[in-house]
Amino acid sequence: GENVEQHPSTLSVQEGDSAVIKCTYSDSASNYFPWYKQELGKRPQLIIDIRSNVGEKKDQRIAVTLNKTAKHFSLHITETQPEDSAVYFCAASNDYKLSFGAGTTVTVRA
Amino acid sequence: DGGITQSPKYLFRKEGQNVTLSCEQNLNHDAMYWYRQDPGQGLRLIYYSQIVNDFQKGDIAEGYSVSREKKESFPLTVTSAQKNPTAFYLCASSIDSRGETQYFGPGTRLLVL
Repeated sequence: GENVEQHPSTLSVQEGDSAVIKCTYSDSASNYFPWYKQELGKRPQLIIDIRSNVGEKKDQRIAVTLNKTAKHFSLHITETQPEDSAVYFCAASNDYKLSFGAGTTVTVRA
Repeated sequence: DGGITQSPKYLFRKEGQNVTLSCEQNLNHDAMYWYRQDPGQGLRLIYYSQIVNDFQKGDIAEGYSVSREKKESFPLTVTSAQKNPTAFYLCASSIDSRGETQYFGPGTRLLVL
């Protein structure tokens, strides 16, 4: 099955700086890569996604890049704000289900 | 995601007891999923159902059972065979069986007495 690895496990950034989270996947057949944000005690919410026929996608301060050859994808958050503090999960879609990374806890320091 | 509900919010299980977690969606989604979330381990798939009256085991199905008798409902039973059930349980649904864009319910926290 698919194996998704996510790094780093924790990330602390100064408000206004950028944050980057990286994920790798094992199965070259995976073709859809969503990112979820989960605030403490709440449900994960989809923030951005990318398909394997696209290299980059942006939505305001967040962007995702995909390198199919290397089998890795990354989440970029620019101009971080305190409300960006949360746990972020990457995932890869394969065989009718999602496989999730272990998560990255992002803390934005004021 | 407001169309997916889970109950109860907190559930306490006694030794040897089976408990059932409810998941309902009014989004007319075909597929539904159950995940277990433990600290530092992300979301692990327990069971999923692509269509009514059909379901498949996920990565950690042992000690759990499900049913999918109605499109909008996908209850999860945590049986006494699950020796370490304390976790946050999340239900999700997606519009079709590809399992791509999934929307999550608010979760049920299960604790063992």
